[in-house]
Amino acid sequence: DTEVTQTPKHLVMGMTNKKSLKCEQHMGHRAMYWYKQKAKKPPELMFVYSYEKLSINESVPSRFSPECPNSSLLNLHLHALQPEDSALYLCASSQDPSGGISRYEQYFGPGTRLTVT
Amino acid sequence: QQPVQSPQAVILREGEDAVINCSSSKALYSVHWYRQKHGEAPVFLMILLKGGEQKGHEKISASFNEKKQQSSLYLTASQLSYSGTYFCGTGDSWGKLQFGAGTQVVVTP
Repeated sequence: DTEVTQTPKHLVMGMTNKKSLKCEQHMGHRAMYWYKQKAKKPPELMFVYSYEKLSINESVPSRFSPECPNSSLLNLHLHALQPEDSALYLCASSQDPSGGISRYEQYFGPGTRLTVT
Repeated sequence: QQPVQSPQAVILREGEDAVINCSSSKALYSVHWYRQKHGEAPVFLMILLKGGEQKGHEKISASFNEKKQQSSLYLTASQLSYSGTYFCGTGDSWGKLQFGAGTQVVVTP
């Protein structure tokens, strides 16, 4: 099973709302990622978790708060977002990060299309 | 720093070949290639590692010139299913990847 699942598929939220995005994988991968992708642009790394610990935060605003409750789950908590945060949010996972995360291919989920009104 | 991909876009007829290039100003440890179809997630195609190891799909080939910090993806005898946006991702250490701007490939019948 090489599947990464993400829920919800679509999300519309107001600027004062609090919502969460969820990502799940059952491939035994120990590195998990959040990316943000705007239309016609490449994925832009936000966070990396290695062995359930936050290892990379690409200076993402605090209105985005990641959480890794266990080795299979990754959440992204959203609060007080801005319209410019509207984008496709992709989750990905890859194998054992101890040798370096760029050694291994990343498996992407289908994404959550977020619209902030 | 973001790797540079070329061309930005290419239109092919079924059966034709194409080459997509990816170059970096930094020494590279790894180069990844992904394809993303409209409205879908990026899908892994190929990974090339410093030292010569590579892993990927049988019908896709790629090269990695470590000295020149360049990689090329070869689309041979293209099929309609090859249409999509191709991204290279480069690692200048064994850490995170940086993705290029993408190359849009359209294969026509």
